[in-house]
Amino acid sequence: QSALTQPASVSGSPGQSITVSCTGTSSDVGLYNYVSWYQHHPGRAPKLIISEVNNRPSGVPDRFSGSRSGNTASLTISGLQPEDEAHYFCFSYRASSTWVFGGGTRVSVL
Amino acid sequence: QVQLQQSGPGLVKPSQTLSLTCAISGDSVSGNTVSWNWIRQSPSRGLEWLGRTFYRSRSEWSYEYAVSMKSRITISPDTSKNQFSLHVNSVIPDDTAVYYCARGSAGALDFWGRGTLVAVSS
Repeated sequence: QSALTQPASVSGSPGQSITVSCTGTSSDVGLYNYVSWYQHHPGRAPKLIISEVNNRPSGVPDRFSGSRSGNTASLTISGLQPEDEAHYFCFSYRASSTWVFGGGTRVSVL
Repeated sequence: QVQLQQSGPGLVKPSQTLSLTCAISGDSVSGNTVSWNWIRQSPSRGLEWLGRTFYRSRSEWSYEYAVSMKSRITISPDTSKNQFSLHVNSVIPDDTAVYYCARGSAGALDFWGRGTLVAVSS
């Protein structure tokens, strides 16, 4: 059972926007800015796509964006592309030098 | 570009020690602003952060471990080979997972290894 809660799956058609949520508590997602998102294609290394809640690393397409409201962080993919079909998971700092993951969300492009 | 190359056995017997190594290229294990992490993923536990090490100064290192693993886990840097290792003692079948190493920077894991499937079975 993961520490952060994500929906198991989200789907959308090409060109649509989708949002993946990541719900934690006031001791992790709601308190620290160290919330990040990753894209994972099976068999490959996970890829960082959002750091520090809403920062996009160099080379990541600007259709990926991050935000937070209270204890819930969100990843939005605007203008969904077929290559965006993958697993996405969130990661956050929690007090006492501990880090926690979300359970992961499978994004399908219909 | 940082690259992390994982190595280690894919099968470990119950009660024995699981040992994996992560070789670093494009950065130094003694880098001042980064950490070196181990993560695992299994169907029963999902993604789980196991621990990390990072260099402080004057040859001093810090180690931080997940509470659930603290009694069984060691992460060790090796400056001579520019790599770091994971050791998990007294493994049980529930330790079966894909294990990843990753570099930590600014509160995120910006480079990952490709993962090693380790099965715990007799």
